[in-house]
Amino acid sequence: AQTVTQSQPEMSVQEAETVTLSCTYDTSESDYYLFWYKQPPSRQMILVIRQEAYKQQNATENRFSVNFQKAAKSFSLKISDSQLGDAAMYFCAYRSGVTNSGYALNFGKGTSLLVTP
Amino acid sequence: DSGVTQTPKHLITATGQRVTLRCSPRSGDLSVYWYQQSLDQGLQFLIQYYNGEERAKGNILERFSAQQFPDLHSELNLSSLELGDSALYFCASSWGLAANTGELFFGEGSRLTVL
Repeated sequence: AQTVTQSQPEMSVQEAETVTLSCTYDTSESDYYLFWYKQPPSRQMILVIRQEAYKQQNATENRFSVNFQKAAKSFSLKISDSQLGDAAMYFCAYRSGVTNSGYALNFGKGTSLLVTP
Repeated sequence: DSGVTQTPKHLITATGQRVTLRCSPRSGDLSVYWYQQSLDQGLQFLIQYYNGEERAKGNILERFSAQQFPDLHSELNLSSLELGDSALYFCASSWGLAANTGELFFGEGSRLTVL
């Protein structure tokens, strides 16, 4: 099974500043999807951003962007202009593109983001 | 609101007991996934159903079982419960077997506490 590693258990950022969360993954596949999910204290898992491996262009969703380095198997999340509402646990996830894999997501252990005023 | 409904939200029971967690997927979604989230293990994939049939298995214990019914709702049955089964259990759904976007839509989870 593919392994997803988030090496930062906790991160802190000041409001309006920029923070980058790291994620690396291990796979031998060439076709796959990568995701960042956010889990606020309400515990609902919310999709932040997705990236298809075949796309070279980094995905962007408003203040959230990724730095996808396929050769390095790295997928970091950058949050710009951080807001108090961004405080949450962030999970990086991998989904195989192989048709018989079932399409479940493999998650990293998460990074807890604290946003200070 | 993701459109995925899970019940109950909280459940407290004793060791050795059996519980059933229920999930209603988003309208039109055919795939249902079950995940277990514990503090030390993170989010672990348990099992996936697609249109009533088991599609993929993850780290699901033999004491656990699941099914998906004709109306597409799913149930996760946990039996002979142990203290270590205390966790947050998530259900997620997606439209197809291979949803184009790959995105899963998660419910709010069922918090199980085994005493």
